Amino acid sequence: DAKTTQPPSMDCAEGRAANLPCNHSTISGNEYVYWYRQIHSQGPQYIIHGLKNNETNEMASLIITEDRKSSTLILPHATLRDTAVYYCIVEGGYQKVTFGTGTKLQVIP
Amino acid sequence: SAVISQKPSRDICQRGTSLTIQCQVDSQVTMMFWYRQQPGQSLTLIATANQGSEATYESGFVIDKFPISRPNLTFSTLTVSNMSPEDSSIYLCSGAGGEVSYGYTFGSGTRLTVV
Repeated sequence: DAKTTQPPSMDCAEGRAANLPCNHSTISGNEYVYWYRQIHSQGPQYIIHGLKNNETNEMASLIITEDRKSSTLILPHATLRDTAVYYCIVEGGYQKVTFGTGTKLQVIP
Repeated sequence: SAVISQKPSRDICQRGTSLTIQCQVDSQVTMMFWYRQQPGQSLTLIATANQGSEATYESGFVIDKFPISRPNLTFSTLTVSNMSPEDSSIYLCSGAGGEVSYGYTFGSGTRLTVV
């Protein structure tokens, strides 16, 4: 079973910030939170990951709560090309990963 | 980060036949995995491809149906055997560890249609 739960779908207006939540209440101390996205059934693409500190890269920001039981992926200025399914997973050490259902983000013009 | 070349990208096959999917990584990876993704669904792990030994299969997947090889740290194959229309799916490989410094890298997928 997946270790994460996400809302099945979200809409976001183009140019606005998209905030995608993820619950991972059973995360272990050595597990990282990873975010991937999958555009139109291509292979999933890595976005960002973190352990306990907030992280930012050129694609997105990741906010992890202090208790590490949930996180939020932020796309600061969503574009139509960000329309995709976003997966949040937890993993610690290149072990097999179970994907949840993900969030289908629709960016609206 | 590592790049995985997966082929074929798509195929249409007759029922009862077999198809072998190949994944070539441009650098060494510690772990390789095979997934299936049915239309509109999330990814389901088929097996972990172990270098030089038998793959480790998830519940519901068996070696006779999905034989996997991994002769070295950069290459793996998945065969879908004795295909039926229910095997129509996207099949994806991924790699982790080694020269993949974090997370997992994925192939672009093989879209299989069985008629």
